[in-house]
Amino acid sequence: DTEVTQTPKHLVMGMTNKKSLKCEQHMGHRAMYWYKQKAKKPPELMFVYSYEKLSINESVPSRFSPECPNSSLLNLHLHALQPEDSALYLCASSLDGQWVSSYNEQFFGPGTRLTVL
Amino acid sequence: ELKVEQNPLFLSMQEGKNYTIYCNYSTTSDRLYWYRQDPGKSLESLFVLLSNGAVKQEGRLMASLDTKARLSTLHITAAVHDLSATYFCAVDMESNFGNEKLTFGTGTRLTIIP
Repeated sequence: DTEVTQTPKHLVMGMTNKKSLKCEQHMGHRAMYWYKQKAKKPPELMFVYSYEKLSINESVPSRFSPECPNSSLLNLHLHALQPEDSALYLCASSLDGQWVSSYNEQFFGPGTRLTVL
Repeated sequence: ELKVEQNPLFLSMQEGKNYTIYCNYSTTSDRLYWYRQDPGKSLESLFVLLSNGAVKQEGRLMASLDTKARLSTLHITAAVHDLSATYFCAVDMESNFGNEKLTFGTGTRLTIIP
């Protein structure tokens, strides 16, 4: 299996809802990432998990809560979002995520298109 | 703070023509990636460049890296309509925590005109 999967593909939620995004990979990768991409902009890093531990949080608001239950799964829990949080949320994985590795090509999932009403 | 700039931001070119997209970055790094994104879709990895002078080619696309100049180029040869997409470069650098961190360029939206 050489792909990253994400569910759901589309999500519409109100500002008072709680929802979760799910990401899964079975490539044996030990680093997983969440990115946010607004229309016509580059992806922006949100969180990095390395060996199932949160290693980078790019000052993301607490209404976004990541979780890594195991090395293959990554969740993003959403609560009390704002309309400006509407975006494409991309998950990615890489072999290691450690700088000392020769390289860590990131493989991206298809994304979840989130709309907050 | 690392800055990654691409130019041009928008590029319309006729089929059969050649052109180059430039990616400049502001700090030392010898790892650079090129990705392609179709509208509403995810990112597809095109090239991984890991050292100064690295050159990779796939079909009509060729990427190179000059770490001394902090510059990467993506050259398109004899463009065809299927190459229409947004192209991102991404620079890999070490975060404060020893992990790698990708910073993406601004993107170049390429439109190939028949």
